[in-house]
Amino acid sequence: GAGVSQSPRYKVAKRGQDVALRCDPISGHVSLFWYQQALGQGPEFLTYFQNEAQLDKSGLPSDRFFAERPEGSVSTLKIQRTQQEDSAVYLCASSAAGGYTFGSGTRLTVV
Amino acid sequence: GQQLNQSPQSMFIQEGEDVSMNCTSSSIFNTWLWYKQDPGEGPVLLIALYKAGELTSNGRLTAQFGITRKDSFLNISASIPSDVGIYFCAGQLGPGGYNKLIFGAGTRLAVHP
Repeated sequence: GAGVSQSPRYKVAKRGQDVALRCDPISGHVSLFWYQQALGQGPEFLTYFQNEAQLDKSGLPSDRFFAERPEGSVSTLKIQRTQQEDSAVYLCASSAAGGYTFGSGTRLTVV
Repeated sequence: GQQLNQSPQSMFIQEGEDVSMNCTSSSIFNTWLWYKQDPGEGPVLLIALYKAGELTSNGRLTAQFGITRKDSFLNISASIPSDVGIYFCAGQLGPGGYNKLIFGAGTRLAVHP
């Protein structure tokens, strides 16, 4: 597609629920990143894929967070047993040799 | 870990005024980037800087990569209402799209007509 597409745009989850956030990168982009943006803050790195390989997951805050990109295109960020502190906007970005293109994000609210 | 200090946190200016914001780091970066984020959207790249001392313009925007590689500034000249938004600096250890970004906390710009 023309841009990075993320779904859903908004997600409300009850504490303890599992959620799955989807990212459709720009076609042909090798690199895919996930960032977490808390209210009033800048985005913070979560994890990085090159094709289907997850090369860096140092930013994932706990083992409740899991990301995959099984065929090297679409990626899913899964959060298990959500907690209130997981409330944030989750941004996906893809890139080729040039710079990043960010999606519009998924706003997750845990109640 | 690496942190970027971005200032000011917010600015309220009159249309037509010039704006300046900056970013400092305790670590060296090889690339500095400036992004703008509108409500409900992802960050959009404004300017990328790849060399220490580099001064780059994009229309009314000018940004510089500090000589020490630990700082950068962004200037906006003759502000207009559509400049409203949040501006983020970001540092990157390497060029291109294969390296993670470290973001500042943002400068919130409000422009009064």
